[in-house]
Amino acid sequence: GNSVTQMEGPVTLSEEAFLTINCTYTATGYPSLFWYVQYPGEGLQLLLKATKADDKGSNKGFEATYRKETTSFHLEKGSVQVSDSAVYFCASNQAGTALIFGKGTTLSVSS
Amino acid sequence: DTAVSQTPKYLVTQMGNDKSIKCEQNLGHDTMYWYKQDSKKFLKIMFSYNNKELIINETVPNRFSPKSPDKAHLNLHINSLELGDSAVYFCASSQEEENYGYTFGSGTRLTVV
Repeated sequence: GNSVTQMEGPVTLSEEAFLTINCTYTATGYPSLFWYVQYPGEGLQLLLKATKADDKGSNKGFEATYRKETTSFHLEKGSVQVSDSAVYFCASNQAGTALIFGKGTTLSVSS
Repeated sequence: DTAVSQTPKYLVTQMGNDKSIKCEQNLGHDTMYWYKQDSKKFLKIMFSYNNKELIINETVPNRFSPKSPDKAHLNLHINSLELGDSAVYFCASSQEEENYGYTFGSGTRLTVV
């Protein structure tokens, strides 16, 4: 079946460091791919998405590229801020199924 | 104006009780969902309704019963609550097309004591 695997956390960085959170997927077809963010005590917010191969999603300095050849959708940000501290979820969606999530990666940024 | 709203935000109850969580969306979406987030933050789909019709029913104890009176509402009723039901429950909605993201509510933290 379809699944999403993302790197285990927690990830601890200093402010202005470069961030990468790896995500790979398995699917029978070509799913749409998403990154969601969950700030402490809140619900999930859509951060960015890509719906087909080679698409790049971007928002708030974060970006991720849909790589069909490596079935990956890694999240990157060039310079993280303390306010980026949250849990990040990679997710995939295919017709006829519900959105499925990776296990989440906790990011902690210190000043 | 909240897009997907859930009530209550917090729910503390004793084992064996029956409780309900309500969800409403004002986005005009056709499909609504319930997800369970466990203590390790793992999110698992429980149910999905499209225009009041159940379309996804994952392996969930039959103590959990969703009800959709109209396409803007999806409630979750839980009978005979158990300690293991303690979790955060999220409601979400989406357009039918799979390349749109879901819009999530802020969650209901259920604690069974």
